[in-house]
Amino acid sequence: GAVVSQHPSRVICKSGTSVKIECRSLDFQATTMFWYRQFPKQSLMLMATSNEGSKATYEQGVEKDKFLINHASLTLSTLTVTSAHPEDSSFYICSAATSRVSDSNQPQHFGDGTRLSIL
Amino acid sequence: AQTVTQSQPEMSVQEAETVTLSCTYDTSENNYYLFWYKQPPSRQMILVIRQEAYKQQNAMENRFSVNFQKAAKSFSLKISDSQLGDTAMYFCAFTARGNMLTFGGGTRLMVKP
Repeated sequence: GAVVSQHPSRVICKSGTSVKIECRSLDFQATTMFWYRQFPKQSLMLMATSNEGSKATYEQGVEKDKFLINHASLTLSTLTVTSAHPEDSSFYICSAATSRVSDSNQPQHFGDGTRLSIL
Repeated sequence: AQTVTQSQPEMSVQEAETVTLSCTYDTSENNYYLFWYKQPPSRQMILVIRQEAYKQQNAMENRFSVNFQKAAKSFSLKISDSQLGDTAMYFCAFTARGNMLTFGGGTRLMVKP
C-alpha cells in the first residue's frame, strides 16, 4: 500500500519550454504533497508543500512563478517548470502524506523522481 | 527549527563487514520520530528504519539497527553483514510536527567486494 506514482521519470526538452510533472497517490488520499529538488550527491531540498484545494507554500528562495504547483485533488499534484532553462536541470521528487506520522510507518511516501534535462 | 547533521559525506566498507553511519540532530521537541532512508543509484527513496523518541529500545530491522541516544541527540545506523546492494546514499531524517521531514546532508556508502 501507499504507492506514489511520479510521471514522467525522465524528460529532456529545449530551453524556454514548460514541463509538467505529475505526482499521484494510487491507493490512498493525500491531503499534503511535497516537492523536492535534488542535485547530484546532495540531499533533498524541499521546494514547496501543497495542500489539496489551497495554494502551495513555497520555501524561501523558490520562485513560485517559476515552479507552479497545483494540488487539485486528494490524489494528484502537479509541478510545472515554466520557461525552463539549463539551470533548472535537476532531479525532482514528490512525496505524499497519508496521515499523522503516528498512524503510519512513515510520514511521507515518495515517488520515484523525475530527471529533468534542459538543453 | 530542527537541524539534522550527517558528518560523514562518504564511507566504504568491505562486503560482510559492519559499518556505522552517524547522525546528530537538534530540536527542542520532546516527541518526535527519526528515520533512516536509503537512496540507491536508482534514486528511489526507501525507508530503512524508524525510531520513536519516546521508545527507549533501539529499533532493529534485520541487518539494520540504530543506536538512539536521546540525551545526546544522536541516531546512528549500523549495517551488519554489509552486502553489495547496500551501496547507496543514506539520509537521516527527523519529524516532529505533522509530516514535515528534515533531512541530513547524506552519507554515500560504498560496499566493496
